[in-house]
Amino acid sequence: SQQGEEDPQALSIQEGENATMNCSYKTSINNLQWYRQNSGRGLVHLILIRSNEREKHSGRLRVTLDTSKKSSSLLITASRAADTASYFCATDRSQTGANNLFFGTGTRLTVIP
Amino acid sequence: NAGVTQTPKFQVLKTGQSMTLQCAQDMNHEYMSWYRQDPGMGLRLIHYSVGAGITDQGEVPNGYNVSRSTTEDFPLRLLSAAPSQTSVYFCASSPRTSGGARNEQFFGPGTRLTVL
Repeated sequence: SQQGEEDPQALSIQEGENATMNCSYKTSINNLQWYRQNSGRGLVHLILIRSNEREKHSGRLRVTLDTSKKSSSLLITASRAADTASYFCATDRSQTGANNLFFGTGTRLTVIP
Repeated sequence: NAGVTQTPKFQVLKTGQSMTLQCAQDMNHEYMSWYRQDPGMGLRLIHYSVGAGITDQGEVPNGYNVSRSTTEDFPLRLLSAAPSQTSVYFCASSPRTSGGARNEQFFGPGTRLTVL
């Protein structure tokens, strides 16, 4: 499989705490993206970090990328019950014009009110 | 804009039956793709298209056909359904890449398929 891996597989925290999810991958990438999936729904794009970037912020989200270690982390600060969802990292490795993504297996986050 | 739409939402097939999963987008995106999501496996790419008239295989193309006659539509055909094709299917689209930059993908709500 060419998929990445996230850890932990599941994470349960109290509302207001921070949540950190990690993603590892195996090959060189153009960019790495994080998506959220609420139960029974489609995926929603959260943030994209390019291979020449090391850190990116968007609201309560902070993403880091370490291409030497082939890893990324997603930090959600001051979590809310509405953040309960599965979170996936996806890597873009295409050398052509295609925008194909390879997804990890996801982290299931539960935020307890 | 409706974004990416998929029909049907749910489908039950018997082994050997064929069917077409519909996907449409109204954002004038050139790139469209089909993924399947199985428990514990994440999403895997089935087929993709970089524009009308152009399609190519992804990671798991066997048992599926696609065509792209218009920019808006990208149907996925199951030729002879098998229980191993029981899954949730997602269609996605993204705008044309420019200058080597890659863009986020927009996903449809999914089709839950069960093959008995």
